[in-house]
Amino acid sequence: QSALTQPASVSGSPGQSITISCTGTSSDVGGYNYVSWYQQHPGKAPKLIISDVNNRPSGVSNRFSGSKSGNTASLTISGLQAEDEADYYCSSYTSSSTWMFGGGTKLTVL
Amino acid sequence: QVQLVESGGGVVQPGRSLRLSCAASGFTFRSLSMHWVRQAPGKGLEWVAFISWDGTNKYYADSVKGRFTISRDNSKNTLYLQVNSLRVEDTAVYYCARNPEYHFNFDYWGQGTLVTVSS
Repeated sequence: QSALTQPASVSGSPGQSITISCTGTSSDVGGYNYVSWYQQHPGKAPKLIISDVNNRPSGVSNRFSGSKSGNTASLTISGLQAEDEADYYCSSYTSSSTWMFGGGTKLTVL
Repeated sequence: QVQLVESGGGVVQPGRSLRLSCAASGFTFRSLSMHWVRQAPGKGLEWVAFISWDGTNKYYADSVKGRFTISRDNSKNTLYLQVNSLRVEDTAVYYCARNPEYHFNFDYWGQGTLVTVSS
């Protein structure tokens, strides 16, 4: 059960857009539309921001969007704001009836 | 509003046991599946275990299989994680998380309870 692969860090200036990738295999990301994304601020619990590849839960800003191509899912944040600075994690259901997380990506808003 | 409150963490020696609890409120607990997810200090999230709404289906990460047991008491709206044979590498904040119906993710999380394994 290896973690999904995410870049360790990304950065962007206010107003810009950034994309975080999440690469798995055909047994997880590529095999199901059950990829989700979480935002975690320091010392806080994670918060669901994208479910089922590209669905935003109620109350989540439409600046957050998700997509998937093959074994790689992506989270895009548009119109970056200072409050977006946080750690971001992807997760996928797997063919073993388990779940996996990515290693996490630290977003810095310059 | 949905609330998940974990308890039961603490400092424990290697090889010992603990039982973590997660008290749920604000939703129909008996209808939804639940998870435990952990996060070692300064590290990423690691999925630990899943239990179906009625307790009949349970799945575990390889790293805890045979040592951890997930259970629930729907009459008490409480989720449990029995953690045995603890290792230093089990040191982490343990979160309980709700699995929404018809989905495969974690839509609400508790604040976490810290388990420190140290001699």
